[in-house]
Amino acid sequence: AQSVTQPDIHITVSEGASLELRCNYSYGATPYLFWYVQSPGQGLQLLLKYFSGDTLVQGIKGFEAEFKRSQSSFNLRKPSVHWSDAAEYFCAVGADYKLSFGAGTTVTVRA
Amino acid sequence: NAGVTQTPKFQVLKTGQSMTLQCAQDMNHNSMYWYRQDPGMGLRLIYYSASEGTTDKGEVPNGYNVSRLNKREFSLRLESAAPSQTSVYFCASSVYSSTDTQYFGPGTRLTVL
Repeated sequence: AQSVTQPDIHITVSEGASLELRCNYSYGATPYLFWYVQSPGQGLQLLLKYFSGDTLVQGIKGFEAEFKRSQSSFNLRKPSVHWSDAAEYFCAVGADYKLSFGAGTTVTVRA
Repeated sequence: NAGVTQTPKFQVLKTGQSMTLQCAQDMNHNSMYWYRQDPGMGLRLIYYSASEGTTDKGEVPNGYNVSRLNKREFSLRLESAAPSQTSVYFCASSVYSSTDTQYFGPGTRLTVL
């Protein structure tokens, strides 16, 4: 069965600084990987996804993620964080009609 | 185009009461899902329906039942609510399988006293 680990529960970053959120997955075959964002009191919105091909994936809101098979990782990055990026971020792996989510990383942006 | 809608938004139940959470999507998606979200645990799949007429258990199905009423609607029923079912419940849909993008509803916050 697939699983996802997000090692960082909470990250605080200054506005304008770069952000990197870590995600490690466990799955025997080629994974389908996703990053979702959840703003307070809202549902989840897809930021980006990886199925195959180029290992650097571009998403919405200026986010990108890099798939590294050798490290079983799919880390999310943003070069310059805006106050509106404060949210909870979830990494997920898809297989067999199911998505398995990590526990999430909460991002706080300080002025 | 409303996407995925859920009713109600909030609900408070007493232990032992029953209720049904409603979910509808207007994107002509085949697959629908119910998740629960608890602090520090991410989202866990309760049940899913890969296509109209089929339902399957997810990771945490105990205490829940589902009905895929038609292609648009997928309801979640708590027959006898327990405090452990206090959670935020999300419905989602996708074109076919979980390898497709899932679109989420706004959630239902349920408290069981």
